[in-house]
Amino acid sequence: EDQVTQSPEALRLQEGESSSLNCSYTVSGLRGLFWYRQDPGKGPEFLFTLYSAGEEKEKERLKATLTKKESFLHITAPKPEDSATYLCAVLSGSARQLTFGSGTQLTVLP
Amino acid sequence: DTAVSQTPKYLVTQMGNDKSIKCEQNLGHDTMYWYKQDSKKFLKIMFSYNNKELIINETVPNRFSPKSPDKAHLNLHINSLELGDSAVYFCASSQETYGGDLPQHFGDGTRLSIL
Repeated sequence: EDQVTQSPEALRLQEGESSSLNCSYTVSGLRGLFWYRQDPGKGPEFLFTLYSAGEEKEKERLKATLTKKESFLHITAPKPEDSATYLCAVLSGSARQLTFGSGTQLTVLP
Repeated sequence: DTAVSQTPKYLVTQMGNDKSIKCEQNLGHDTMYWYKQDSKKFLKIMFSYNNKELIINETVPNRFSPKSPDKAHLNLHINSLELGDSAVYFCASSQETYGGDLPQHFGDGTRLSIL
């Protein structure tokens, strides 16, 4: 059974204070790892897909990386508008659906 | 110009009632999904339809019945609502058939509260 664990559960940062969110996974043959952002009262918004170890993707202040066991979402010089819950999900070779982690709630203070 | 839209946004009802949630996507995708998000924020797949055909049916009580009249619509009907059905239900869509690895796009959810 595919498993996804995200840490920390919650993270408070000062504006400009860079940090990383972690997503550890156990799957039988990774087909893709997905990062989403979810704002309160909204649905998850797609950020990145990573397919193989060593792959990196960037978007504004966010950079996602992937190893064989985990993925990191690095946030550089965050702003208050980056505050949200960040969700990680995996799609394995045998599964027909995404398995989500429980998310990291990020708060960036001005 | 919402890509995936769900109605209603909020649904408050009594235990034992029957209710429906509607979902429509204008992205031209061929696969649609229903997810349940519980109080701990876990998103769990319930159903998936590809071109009106059911392809994923997780362990969900048979009180839940999805219906897809066409590939742009996926509705969820729930019979005999129970307290444990209280959650946020999300519809999603993607352009991919079996075992898709393309991103799914989500609606803003329907918040179901059972009194």
